[in-house]
Amino acid sequence: DSGVTQTPKHLITATGQRVTLRCSPRSGDLSVYWYQQSLDQGLQFLIQYYNGEERAKGNILERFSAQQFPDLHSELNLSSLELGDSALYFCASSPRPDFGPEAFFGQGTRLTVV
Amino acid sequence: DQQVKQNSPSLSVQEGRISILNCDYTNSMFDYFLWYKKYPAEGPTFLISISSIKDKNEDGRFTVFLNKSAKHLSLHIVPSQPGDSAVYFCAATTMYSGGGADGLTFGKGTHLIIQP
Repeated sequence: DSGVTQTPKHLITATGQRVTLRCSPRSGDLSVYWYQQSLDQGLQFLIQYYNGEERAKGNILERFSAQQFPDLHSELNLSSLELGDSALYFCASSPRPDFGPEAFFGQGTRLTVV
Repeated sequence: DQQVKQNSPSLSVQEGRISILNCDYTNSMFDYFLWYKKYPAEGPTFLISISSIKDKNEDGRFTVFLNKSAKHLSLHIVPSQPGDSAVYFCAATTMYSGGGADGLTFGKGTHLIIQP
């Protein structure tokens, strides 16, 4: 158990809908990362937050957004969902930027868009 | 364009022998490299890392080698054990001068199967 909690574990929704994925980082970790794992693209970095502020952006679509709250939990919002958004979404956390890039991953949320 | 490549989708090794997993990268800005291990229905688990100022890092049965001129790294597992059967991901990033790093760029993984 990495200490990173993601909810829900599974989500099935229809095209055009909006969903919110939630992540609680390990106790004391200030950085949160979101990754998407799809069959064809592999694990792709979406976005990073550090202590409530956006720190880095990867291949995140404009239909997707994220935030990190004062209690350090994070939410990833996916809107106008398409079939191609079906994937595993992972959250990872690390203590602070100078700790190094080693991050601890949650078990993921499997999103199925039908 | 894949910046981190793991060209072997799978690798089968006998228990007790050495497992060698390979990874190539194309982005010269990458200066920190990591290996993660993933079991089905679980998130990736950090295994070992190496900074570009080193060419080798060891942690128990796991050793990572970095060849910067060839833009190549490898993970050696000795001796291989049945519990090592998993998907192994190579990842790379660029460290910030003030601390921290970009998000990780992952390869597509190598499925390691340890045969009894």
